[in-house]
Amino acid sequence: GDSVTQTEGQVALSEEDFLTIHCNYSASGYPTLFWYVQYPGEGPQLLFRASRDKEKGSSRGFEATYDKGTTSFHLRKASVQESDSAVYYCALSPDSNYKLTFGKGTLLTVTP
Amino acid sequence: DPKIIQKPKYLVAVTGSEKILICEQYLGHNAMYWYRQSAKKPLEFMFSYSYQKLMDNQTASSRFQPQSSKKNHLDLQITALKPDDSATYFCASSQESGGAPEQYFGPGTRLTVL
Repeated sequence: GDSVTQTEGQVALSEEDFLTIHCNYSASGYPTLFWYVQYPGEGPQLLFRASRDKEKGSSRGFEATYDKGTTSFHLRKASVQESDSAVYYCALSPDSNYKLTFGKGTLLTVTP
Repeated sequence: DPKIIQKPKYLVAVTGSEKILICEQYLGHNAMYWYRQSAKKPLEFMFSYSYQKLMDNQTASSRFQPQSSKKNHLDLQITALKPDDSATYFCASSQESGGAPEQYFGPGTRLTVL
């Protein structure tokens, strides 16, 4: 079945550090790929998505590029802020489908 | 104003009992979903409904029954509760159910089964 593997556990950074959270997927065809962010006590909210090879998604300074060759969709941000502290989920939705398959989530902690 | 309302926010139940989790969305969407998030597993898709009809069911147990009385409602009835059912249950909705639409999530109901 479809699956998503992302950087496990916690990533601890200082403000203005560069962020990378790795995401690799396994699915047939051309799934749509997503990054979601979840703050404490809230549901996940969409950061952005991408549907085609080499397509870049971006929002709030975060970005990721769909790479079908390496089956990856790594999340990056050049300079993180304390307010970016949250859990980040990589997810996929199969061709012409709506079901989201999530990775296990990565807790980002940014200290001033 | 919250666009997706889930009630209650917290719920404590005893093993063997039955509970209903409420979800209402005010986004005008025609597709709704349930997901579960537990300490042991990542966010898991449970059900999807489109125009009040069940489209997909990924739960292994018939103890979980979605109920759609109105287009913008999708409640989740859970019977014969077990401690393993303890999790946060998220309702979500989207404009349409095909083509990987953006899904909007509610704040969740945290269920604890003792």
